[in-house]
Amino acid sequence: LAKTTQPISMDSYEGQEVNITCSHNNIATNDYITWYQQFPSQGPRFIIQGYKTKVTNEVASLFIPADRKSSTLSLPRVSLSDTAVYYCLVGENSSASKIIFGSGTRLSIRP
Amino acid sequence: EPEVTQTPSHQVTQMGQEVILRCVPISNHLYFYWYRQILGQKVEFLVSFYNNEISEKSEIFDDQFSVERPDGSNFTLKIRSTKLEDSAMYFCASTSGTKPAYEQYFGPGTRLTVT
Repeated sequence: LAKTTQPISMDSYEGQEVNITCSHNNIATNDYITWYQQFPSQGPRFIIQGYKTKVTNEVASLFIPADRKSSTLSLPRVSLSDTAVYYCLVGENSSASKIIFGSGTRLSIRP
Repeated sequence: EPEVTQTPSHQVTQMGQEVILRCVPISNHLYFYWYRQILGQKVEFLVSFYNNEISEKSEIFDDQFSVERPDGSNFTLKIRSTKLEDSAMYFCASTSGTKPAYEQYFGPGTRLTVT
């Protein structure tokens, strides 16, 4: 897994767009970028995955620049329930790969 | 939507006792995992399991730990002689192997408290 760097914590307010950026300077050609979300006292939950450009689903968008050395998870119009830890993972997309979680970004949403 | 289930949600045991944590992965999944998270710390990989055998294990997964898929639906983690430092949330996860590998589905966890 490539090393990733993301902010330890972020604060925002309900209704705002939140962007969490992850740096992965040594990303390899075969690596994918994956984001997980973990609510307090719950298991991590897969949010989104991408290889390049932009990916969007019902939860979030993932922006990946051409050099792929960073990525930004975008959460549109957050609510209190988006308070969670968000993990950025980078690694080769092969079957049965274990996940090595970092410390993630602790996102706190205020009213 | 199918989900991974785990039982019990909370287990309290005394040091030195054996515990078995149970998981029911999503039915068509082929790869199974156990992770743990000590309070306030990172989620740590313990073991992966495929085709009825361990495919990889971490340094944490020593001889006190074992995994089993006894009946084709359950996936269990056994700790033979629990220590205080085994107190943690234990998460089971599974994936089909056809989707992206990092798209694992996690259960709600079992909180193990060793006293």
